[in-house]
Amino acid sequence: TQLLEQSPQFLSIQEGENLTVYCNSSSVFSSLQWYRQEPGEGPVLLVTVVTGGEVKKLKRLTFQFGDARKDSSLHITAAQPGDTGLYLCAGDLTGANNLFFGTGTRLTVIP
Amino acid sequence: GAGVSQTPSNKVTEKGKYVELRCDPISGHTALYWYRQSLGQGPEFLIYFQGTGAADDSGLPNDRFFAVRPEGSVSTLKIQRTERGDSAVYLCASSPAGRNYGYTFGSGTRLTVV
Repeated sequence: TQLLEQSPQFLSIQEGENLTVYCNSSSVFSSLQWYRQEPGEGPVLLVTVVTGGEVKKLKRLTFQFGDARKDSSLHITAAQPGDTGLYLCAGDLTGANNLFFGTGTRLTVIP
Repeated sequence: GAGVSQTPSNKVTEKGKYVELRCDPISGHTALYWYRQSLGQGPEFLIYFQGTGAADDSGLPNDRFFAVRPEGSVSTLKIQRTERGDSAVYLCASSPAGRNYGYTFGSGTRLTVV
């Protein structure tokens, strides 16, 4: 059983469309991070959210941490082919020594 | 170095053989992590080093897996008597002082056991 479940698992959209990816858990996290991974590479950190209800923006990407710090969402506006990749959320569980990664959402943006 | 370096990038080995995977973290990063990623899945934690010591090895699947970091910098993940189920991408990450800062990952070693 995965600690963090992401949905959808796969997403294929046209360039210019908007999309939202979800990261859910029954556990409370002290912080949550989002990474993007391209084929043959390691995940690259996009953002860290710490406070319940926090919203952070990174150009066309908007990240939100749930009020209860159990879930998070990533919204992409006007998706571009360069956004294609595997999006991973990762939670920092109090008392744990490592980040727990979600199941991942594989996004394909078609030109 | 500028980033986390992992070697080899690809390794094909026969079932039952011994393999070593190397990770060279960012200079000055005290925390080092090994994760394993199966195709299409998120990374799964294997082991965490703080300095030279293995602070948490609870993710190692069995005693065929072992990792060292003798001088607090380069780390080696060692797998004995490899099995086909060990095939995966092995990722190494380092962090200045722990997970709260986020990880910098290497590009991984793709291990294939035939």
